[in-house]
Amino acid sequence: DIQMTQSPSSLSASVGDRVTITCQASQDITTNLNWYQQKPGKVPQVLIYDASNLAPGVPSRFSGSGSGTDFTFTISFLQPEDFATYYCQQYEDLVTFGPGTKVDIK
Amino acid sequence: QVHLEESGPGLVKPLQTLSLTCTVSGGSISRGGYYWSWIRQLPGKGLEWIGYIYYTGRSFHNPSLQSRLSISIDKSKNQFSLSLSSVTAADTAVYYCARGVYDSHRNIFDSWGQGARVSVSS
Repeated sequence: DIQMTQSPSSLSASVGDRVTITCQASQDITTNLNWYQQKPGKVPQVLIYDASNLAPGVPSRFSGSGSGTDFTFTISFLQPEDFATYYCQQYEDLVTFGPGTKVDIK
Repeated sequence: QVHLEESGPGLVKPLQTLSLTCTVSGGSISRGGYYWSWIRQLPGKGLEWIGYIYYTGRSFHNPSLQSRLSISIDKSKNQFSLSLSSVTAADTAVYYCARGVYDSHRNIFDSWGQGARVSVSS
């Protein structure tokens, strides 16, 4: 089984901040990684696919990078609507979600 | 645009079987390039993938649930279903059905049901 870890588990930030979340896989998953955003009471929505590709309609302030076992997700200029929980998800071998990173208001 | 909707009991007794159905509308479940998945979210926790099934009937399961899990597909009704046996309180969660789409560029969950809240309690 492939295990996914994320850090931090939560963070507090202000509008306009740059936010970075890391995700680590327990084994090489090449770039078979997606990032999802989930707001309270809502279903997850994909933001980044294949580690670094922006999903259609997603603002360009979101970005992703990495390959192998180490990945990074960045929000370049945090907006009020970005306060949410973010999950990485691998699909190299079946499916595993990371534990999530909650981004809340400082 | 495809729409997914979960249905099933909201309360299941311990050691019984949890059964949910996902009805797909706005698109055929028999179309290639997609897989049909179950994902759950325990109260206040993250997302846990349960399993998925292709229109061919081939399914893949989370190893941690494998022994209790069955996923089936009914192409005539455009539905797929989840059956989880011998449930405990630890299976209390919101259960989502979701469509996975895969091609040469991506493999993502692009459509989700709104979720079915299931409690396990006597």
